[in-house]
Amino acid sequence: DQQVKQNSPSLSVQEGRISILNCDYTNSMFDYFLWYKKYPAEGPTFLISISSIKDKNEDGRFTVFLNKSAKHLSLHIVPSQPGDSAVYFCAASAPVNYGGSQGNLIFGKGTKLSVKP
Amino acid sequence: DARVTQTPRHKVTEMGQEVTMRCQPILGHNTVFWYRQTMMQGLELLAYFRNRAPLDDSGMPKDRFSAEMPDATLATLKIQPSEPRDSAVYFCASGRPQGSYNEQFFGPGTRLTVL
Repeated sequence: DQQVKQNSPSLSVQEGRISILNCDYTNSMFDYFLWYKKYPAEGPTFLISISSIKDKNEDGRFTVFLNKSAKHLSLHIVPSQPGDSAVYFCAASAPVNYGGSQGNLIFGKGTKLSVKP
Repeated sequence: DARVTQTPRHKVTEMGQEVTMRCQPILGHNTVFWYRQTMMQGLELLAYFRNRAPLDDSGMPKDRFSAEMPDATLATLKIQPSEPRDSAVYFCASGRPQGSYNEQFFGPGTRLTVL
């Protein structure tokens, strides 16, 4: 029973175009969402996050959108660059001590993004 | 440049052997996590510690896995005996509580292959 789902295992995009990575969640207690980026042979690194009180957060070429009613978030990368090629993990967290939550992150299975020159 | 370190980076062993993976968290971080990454399950939380005390190890197969923090600078994950299905990349992460969630900085991982 996956609480955080990334239904697209892979995505291929042309350099300069927009990459859109999607993530769905089932637990309505989640109030904090993060995206991590992972290169081969390295650990995941934090990319961008959003709190449930917002519906958009932007950091340079990266924007995360949150649709709470649909329990859906997406990561937009504009413009995409070959160096963005990596696996992107969506993660979510519920408040500590709310419904048994310990504030830990629940990760999706990841989407492998390939940006072609 | 503070980072989480993990040793070994790669480990190949035979079924039935004991495997020990080590992690040095970032200095000052009081929370340490162990994750396993597989193609089928993605990133699974195995166990985590706060101030060296184990808080949750429900994600770990209890009969063969054990996790400890002998001191604040070392966390270990042990598998005994190892099985082929344990083949995966094991990540350690460290962090500090940030309001309602636990921040996490990941190490480079230990790639384990059990033959």
